[in-house]
Amino acid sequence: GQQVMQIPQYQHVQEGEDFTTYCNSSTTLSNIQWYKQRPGGHPVFLIQLVKSGEVKKQKRLTFQFGEAKKNSSLHITATQTTDVGTYFCAGLKVPNAGKSTFGDGTTLTVKP
Amino acid sequence: NAGVMQNPRHLVRRRGQEARLRCSPMKGHSHVYWYRQLPEEGLKFMVYLQKENIIDESGMPKERFSAEFPKEGPSILRIQQVVRGDSAAYFCASSPVEGVHYEQYFGPGTRLTVT
Repeated sequence: GQQVMQIPQYQHVQEGEDFTTYCNSSTTLSNIQWYKQRPGGHPVFLIQLVKSGEVKKQKRLTFQFGEAKKNSSLHITATQTTDVGTYFCAGLKVPNAGKSTFGDGTTLTVKP
Repeated sequence: NAGVMQNPRHLVRRRGQEARLRCSPMKGHSHVYWYRQLPEEGLKFMVYLQKENIIDESGMPKERFSAEFPKEGPSILRIQQVVRGDSAAYFCASSPVEGVHYEQYFGPGTRLTVT
């Protein structure tokens, strides 16, 4: 079945450093979504990417969807302590199927 | 627009009892997903439902677990004869699944503890 892999599993950074998490699918995706889960909280939808090569920005966060629509990345510039949490990607393979496959997430810790 | 509601937020059950977890999707969403999460782990997909229909239950254990999403009322995840290994956070999410909108909105979760 479809697999979505995320790396790294954990990332520890000093406040102010950049952070990137990568998401790779074994199959071509229709779209990819990114979520953030704060410690003790629930996943919160951040963004959805649909087009090949698409790049979207939300303040210090930059999301990219690969040209082949099989990989994606989330980059955070100048991390802050409020960025701590686990970032999940979720890939949708077939439109109308409605079920996205989640990666295992990258847990980010930020040292002040 | 109210978000996804889940209740109870915390549930304690003794081994052998039944646990019933409820999820009310966002207004206008007819697709519901249930996930299970152990501490420090990822989201494990359990079941995907539409009103009165189970679309994908490939993540549900074969025994003791069942889910429904009736025409009226919330979606229910039911765990019969709970065991200690069922202790986890159970998240429900809803999605419009319309056009290009497949994003999922999660509820706050139900933390189940089996003693």
